[in-house]
Amino acid sequence: EDQVTQSPEALRLQEGESSSLNCSYTVSGLRGLFWYRQDPGKGPEFLFTLYSAGEEKEKERLKATLTKKESFLHITAPKPEDSATYLCAVPGTGNQFYFGTGTSLTVIP
Amino acid sequence: ETGVTQTPRHLVMGMTNKKSLKCEQHLGHNAMYWYKQSAKKPLELMFVYSLEERVENNSVPSRFSPECPNSSHLFLHLHTLQPEDSALYLCASSQQGAPGQPQHFGDGTRLSIL
Repeated sequence: EDQVTQSPEALRLQEGESSSLNCSYTVSGLRGLFWYRQDPGKGPEFLFTLYSAGEEKEKERLKATLTKKESFLHITAPKPEDSATYLCAVPGTGNQFYFGTGTSLTVIP
Repeated sequence: ETGVTQTPRHLVMGMTNKKSLKCEQHLGHNAMYWYKQSAKKPLELMFVYSLEERVENNSVPSRFSPECPNSSHLFLHLHTLQPEDSALYLCASSQQGAPGQPQHFGDGTRLSIL
């Protein structure tokens, strides 16, 4: 069964304290893995697409990496404005998309 | 206007009311989606329209009725909803046909059923 699991559920970091979020997936024939950021009261905002194992993408303090079974979102020296819920998703069979439940990140000044 | 726009942003309705949610995309995409987002649960895909034809209906109760009059507009018609239908309803669009294209989301309609 296709599915996506994210961990941890919640993460509190001091400003400048680097860490990583995990997204594990099981899907037949990966056609991309997507990372999104969601702020309270807003819709998910697209961050990255990763297509193949070994691929990396960077944007400011965020770097996403992909293996055959999981993806990591590394946050380097985070700032309070990085606080948000981070979601990952994979396309399934047909027109399905599977999202994880997200990691709620809080960065404390 | 750019991106994906949803109206209204908030909606409170009784169980016997009829209302509609509206979504408009300005990205030139050919597919549109309705999702339900509830606390502590993953986004649930409800409906998919590709080139204005419904291609996915994930066992959604008939009290939710989608409509896609053209590739830029999507509606979700609501009637006789239940309290458990209270949630954030998100619209998204994407360009199908190219592999692995991401979806782009609106900011949602927060629906509360009294």
